[in-house]
Amino acid sequence: EADIYQTPRYLVIGTGKKITLECSQTMGHDKMYWYQQDPGMELHLIHYSYGVNSTEKGDLSSESTVSRIRTEHFPLTLESARPSHTSQYLCASSEVNEQFFGPGTRLTVL
Amino acid sequence: RKEVEQDPGPFNVPEGATVAFNCTYSNSASQSFFWYRQDCRKEPKLLMSVYSSGNEDGRFTAQLNRASQYISLLIRDSKLSDSATYLCVVNKVYGQNFVFGPGTRLSVLP
Repeated sequence: EADIYQTPRYLVIGTGKKITLECSQTMGHDKMYWYQQDPGMELHLIHYSYGVNSTEKGDLSSESTVSRIRTEHFPLTLESARPSHTSQYLCASSEVNEQFFGPGTRLTVL
Repeated sequence: RKEVEQDPGPFNVPEGATVAFNCTYSNSASQSFFWYRQDCRKEPKLLMSVYSSGNEDGRFTAQLNRASQYISLLIRDSKLSDSATYLCVVNKVYGQNFVFGPGTRLSVLP
């Protein structure tokens, strides 16, 4: 069983608020990822990190930002949430041959 | 053209049926190949890796054809619990980012 955690699991928030989605893993993986997925749609990579102090933007442009100060922690921040940010956000970490996903955060911006 | 393409689905099959999913990838330098399963409103989980020689895990058989850049997944004697979205995943460079296909949804009907 994967040891990767995301909080909160569900978040409903008003437009303009700053939010941080937390992701942590206890497997010691260097590589971590954030994906965005709308219901019934495909996964889109929005950020990734290959280790501490390394962050890169993914294939899908996102207004969010990430940081990687500790190996186990990879938070995602939205400075000013908008209804277009409503989606599911999935965090993952990987060894060479497998990605492990957290349970996701369902974000609704009103 | 997407890097990883899959049968559009959905596939609606009766219990006990055999079902085959197809996937093609565009980058001939791709190194590693996987099938993931994603249940409704859940995170993706690794179903099986795909090896050049083909591999089998119980009712599931995966095959890879590098020359045609084609991956397949065969499910025999399908169960109700097999209902999910099946994601074809390609690792472009060994140990680097994973590219997810759009997924094919399977519904196994009683």
